[in-house]
Amino acid sequence: GAVVSQHPSWVICKSGTSVKIECRSLDFQATTMFWYRQFPKQSLMLMATSNEGSKATYEQGVEKDKFLINHASLTLSTLTVTSAHPEDSSFYICSARPKSGRAPYQETQYFGPGTRLLVL
Amino acid sequence: AQSVTQLGSHVSVSEGALVLLRCNYSSSVPPYLFWYVQYPNQGLQLLLKYTSAATLVKGINGFEAEFKKSETSFHLTKPSAHMSDAAEYFCAVDTGFQKLVFGTGTRLLVSP
Repeated sequence: GAVVSQHPSWVICKSGTSVKIECRSLDFQATTMFWYRQFPKQSLMLMATSNEGSKATYEQGVEKDKFLINHASLTLSTLTVTSAHPEDSSFYICSARPKSGRAPYQETQYFGPGTRLLVL
Repeated sequence: AQSVTQLGSHVSVSEGALVLLRCNYSSSVPPYLFWYVQYPNQGLQLLLKYTSAATLVKGINGFEAEFKKSETSFHLTKPSAHMSDAAEYFCAVDTGFQKLVFGTGTRLLVSP
């Protein structure tokens, strides 16, 4: 149980185009999903927190108009990289926290397998 | 601000040897700490977490970590390394509502 999927697993696009990445919790409902970015041989950096039915909360330095996040249901969050440029090339990872009555710290956060984006 | 520091970007051990991956934290409040493992081109898998219960935390795949407040450490250990343990390991601290701040990662190399 507790599987998170991402689609696509990798994508190559031309500079200036937009790319949508989906994050789905397959066997649980997720009130909160997180989007991370990981550069080669570096750590994960939190980009934004997505709550179902409300606007995403972006971390400092992350352009909300460039990285559009939609959490339309309890099992789906999407990240759209608008007008992508080569510097947006990265590994994007989402995670999901199950809906439960427990405190957030008591609940395990489940990670997706990641989406590798290459912008030419 | 809460943060974690992982000492050593690479750790090499022989199969069967002790694994020790170091993590020190900085936090003004009691921290919630995590260790995750990442295999190539994959997402992260939770190994174990500390949430202020027992200071010695046992995780999956034979890993464990001990929370030492006096040393502000949360080192990850495994008595005997397997080849399948070769991966990237990340220590992380919860800054609140599961917003995680990750360390820079330690790549574990296991030789036969």
